[in-house]
Amino acid sequence: NAGVTQTPKFRVLKTGQSMTLLCAQDMNHEYMYWYRQDPGMGLRLIHYSVGEGTTAKGEVPDGYNVSRLKKQNFLLGLESAAPSQTSVYFCASTDLGTGAYGYTFGSGTRLTVV
Amino acid sequence: ILNVEQSPQSLHVQEGDSTNFTCSFPSSNFYALHWYRWETAKSPEALFVMTLNGDEKKKGRISATLNTKEGYSYLYIKGSQPEDSATYLCAFRNTGGFKTIFGAGTRLFVKA
Repeated sequence: NAGVTQTPKFRVLKTGQSMTLLCAQDMNHEYMYWYRQDPGMGLRLIHYSVGEGTTAKGEVPDGYNVSRLKKQNFLLGLESAAPSQTSVYFCASTDLGTGAYGYTFGSGTRLTVV
Repeated sequence: ILNVEQSPQSLHVQEGDSTNFTCSFPSSNFYALHWYRWETAKSPEALFVMTLNGDEKKKGRISATLNTKEGYSYLYIKGSQPEDSATYLCAFRNTGGFKTIFGAGTRLFVKA
């Protein structure tokens, strides 16, 4: 059981380049989330999805887009990367999304924008 | 804006010491409070999910309490070991939403 898998693990982008981060879960979870983690700050929610075909904005959605075409996959896109998007990105999923169960996290993607 | 605060920001203890840290969260519209353990270069792992006022949960040497009326939770580690060194995150979930708000964490260093 792989849990939550994120690819890639590391990436360096030049300002203005685009990329997509992939999150895949094999636990049949309905709810999926993208967070970013910056030094001295908690995990901040970028976007989330409560089911296949649905997405919603979190606390810090600007500069990112997401898609959930299949239940098991949640993609995070950066259309035009900026240095402020240098961060560690974590994907998470949970089965009911009600908070009664903990999140399962991926191992993170370290992104540097130069 | 929901705010979750953890204190202290970091903590250095000796092996064998017992320690505790605090998570403060809004006292209204409470649904659940999560604690996670986050080791360096790994991903956060759930320790406890607490939903009822007065809840106490225990896993080995680690335990947690919850007071939803005053909006705080304590995490206790008894007899700290070097392998307990990690960041401990708490996260608050309110009713009516699908989002969980995380605190910035308490970074624990246990010296052998």
